[in-house]
Amino acid sequence: GAGVSQTPSNKVTEKGKYVELRCDPISGHTALYWYRQSLGQGPEFLIYFQGTGAADDSGLPNDRFFAVRPEGSVSTLKIQRTERGDSAMYLCASSPGTDHSPLHFGNGTRLTVT
Amino acid sequence: DQQVKQNSPSLSVQEGRISILNCDYTNSMFDYFLWYKKYPAEGPTFLISISSIKDKNEDGRFTVFLNKSAKHLSLHIVPSQPGDSAVYFCAASANNAGNMLTFGGGTRLMVKP
Repeated sequence: GAGVSQTPSNKVTEKGKYVELRCDPISGHTALYWYRQSLGQGPEFLIYFQGTGAADDSGLPNDRFFAVRPEGSVSTLKIQRTERGDSAMYLCASSPGTDHSPLHFGNGTRLTVT
Repeated sequence: DQQVKQNSPSLSVQEGRISILNCDYTNSMFDYFLWYKKYPAEGPTFLISISSIKDKNEDGRFTVFLNKSAKHLSLHIVPSQPGDSAVYFCAASANNAGNMLTFGGGTRLMVKP
């Protein structure tokens, strides 16, 4: 069965540009999470969706970051006016619900801001 | 302030021996703990978990121990196999936070044949 799919796998952009990162969760999973992993560190929580709504966005670092999940399936993480410090691996994960069901992670999008 | 810490960035073990990976946490609200394994160029995969009402959970070669008073957990892998070579992340969450996980920095395990 298909796992969590993230596209693109790599994205290089110039400082100040806008980027969109896409996540296709496992079919039927209602909960979707975005994490960010910087080099040498563990993943850090950004935002999670239950269905179409953002249930908790407390991990978003600032208002340049925004995410949507309009139909309760695919999600897009949007970053405006990118900065070099935004360079990281962006991981998406899904789970059947909002309890402690284990997260299924995608392979991530490696974002590099030059 | 790191709420979940893995103080050993790397660990090297001989095949067949036991691997012990350690994790410490500071937030007393954490009541669910997990270990994830990550191979290069792949996302983390779930390995094993433990609720704070238990002090041990076992799944095949993998056992997680939780010491709530010390705010410490450990993952034991026995016997270790070369395919276990990966980065292992400890993670924790509070009961009302579902899968909003706080991860440690990871420990790179190398199992030598």
